Amino acid sequence: DQQVKQNSPSLSVQEGRISILNCDYTNSMFDYFLWYKKYPAEGPTFLISISSIKDKNEDGRFTVFLNKSAKHLSLHIVPSQPGDSAVYFCAASLNTGNQFYFGTGTSLTVIP
Amino acid sequence: DSGVTQTPKHLITATGQRVTLRCSPRSGDLSVYWYQQSLDQGLQFLIQYYNGEERAKGNILERFSAQQFPDLHSELNLSSLELGDSALYFCASSQGTGRYNEQFFGPGTRLTVL
Repeated sequence: DQQVKQNSPSLSVQEGRISILNCDYTNSMFDYFLWYKKYPAEGPTFLISISSIKDKNEDGRFTVFLNKSAKHLSLHIVPSQPGDSAVYFCAASLNTGNQFYFGTGTSLTVIP
Repeated sequence: DSGVTQTPKHLITATGQRVTLRCSPRSGDLSVYWYQQSLDQGLQFLIQYYNGEERAKGNILERFSAQQFPDLHSELNLSSLELGDSALYFCASSQGTGRYNEQFFGPGTRLTVL
């Protein structure tokens, strides 16, 4: 049973525009969320995180928004750059352990 | 380069066989995690070791086992292989054991079971 879902397998965006990647979760006990970026033939790389006590966290061009009532988080990339083309995974964890539950990923293509 | 190395990069074997995947963590990291990524699936957490001891277990099959050695490298053993075990297997490492410790991933081992 997939507790973290990324319903859009792929997304294409023009360079300079905003990319919005979405993630939904089913377990209301999740309280810590991460986004990872993955290039081909490489492992995932940590991008940004957010705790459930916040609804927004920003790091440069990357902002993560958390809507606890909707059990939804999103990653905004502004402005998008061709180097952002990668697969993005969201992940969530409970406060009772170290395990992360990952979504299936969204492949972002930024068109020059 | 994350500093985490995994060998081999690719492995092709037959059903019923046994394989061992190896992971060397980043220098100074004490935790090692193993993940499986099957086709069209997210990363599934298998198991975590911290300084040689099992710390957390996910959906790891009984046919799979892992260990972390005194030099902190880890091995994931997969036995009685089935077609459905074909996947990318990632290892990650972190300094500490808690979830707030950033995990650094290796490039993965692609296992194909024929």
